[in-house]
Amino acid sequence: SQQGEEDPQALSIQEGENATMNCSYKTSINNLQWYRQNSGRGLVHLILIRSNEREKHSGRLRVTLDTSKKSSSLLITASRAADTASYFCATVSDTGRRALTFGSGTRLQVQP
Amino acid sequence: KAGVTQTPRYLIKTRGQQVTLSCSPISGHRSVSWYQQTPGQGLQFLFEYFSETQRNKGNFPGRFSGRQFSNSRSEMNVSTLELGDSALYLCASSLGDREYLFGNEQYFGPGTRLTVT
Repeated sequence: SQQGEEDPQALSIQEGENATMNCSYKTSINNLQWYRQNSGRGLVHLILIRSNEREKHSGRLRVTLDTSKKSSSLLITASRAADTASYFCATVSDTGRRALTFGSGTRLQVQP
Repeated sequence: KAGVTQTPRYLIKTRGQQVTLSCSPISGHRSVSWYQQTPGQGLQFLFEYFSETQRNKGNFPGRFSGRQFSNSRSEMNVSTLELGDSALYLCASSLGDREYLFGNEQYFGPGTRLTVT
């Protein structure tokens, strides 16, 4: 079963605009990761944020984590057409199984 | 370093048959995980192997099995295929140790798209 939901399910923006995706999860976590998937292909790891971190940056990506609300957001600044993909959050529990539990994903379309 | 490779990339099987998928991890990675991706259920964890032992297992029936070899390459097998097994099967590798210190970001292969008819 999936850990939680991502919001929105789909997002369409113009090149140069910022894109924000939200992820909610249900259980206590060790870390949360964001992945990108281009149309039916493998996933690419984007960023990992630990449960004791609140914000992390990587290039044009900014991730926040609020463990009290069990939520995270991914911000892509100055988006490009090449950012068109599906974005998934994935959590790793702080107890028991260490596997990734994925959200439902956000489909991002960046119009040139 | 070469990335994670999966073979075959596409496969068509008939209900009742069995299938074996292969995954070669990034050199030096000792953990291999398998995931199933379908439009209805999304990405779901199947199992993880570390040093030839199954370390974690998801909620899939016993028809789904796997193994890992001494060179960390892994195979997964699905027996008695059902229509609902049609999916993209993704393999991911990671270092697999000291995760509590370094996290466990995973590196995914391109996937094997299995169609069951």
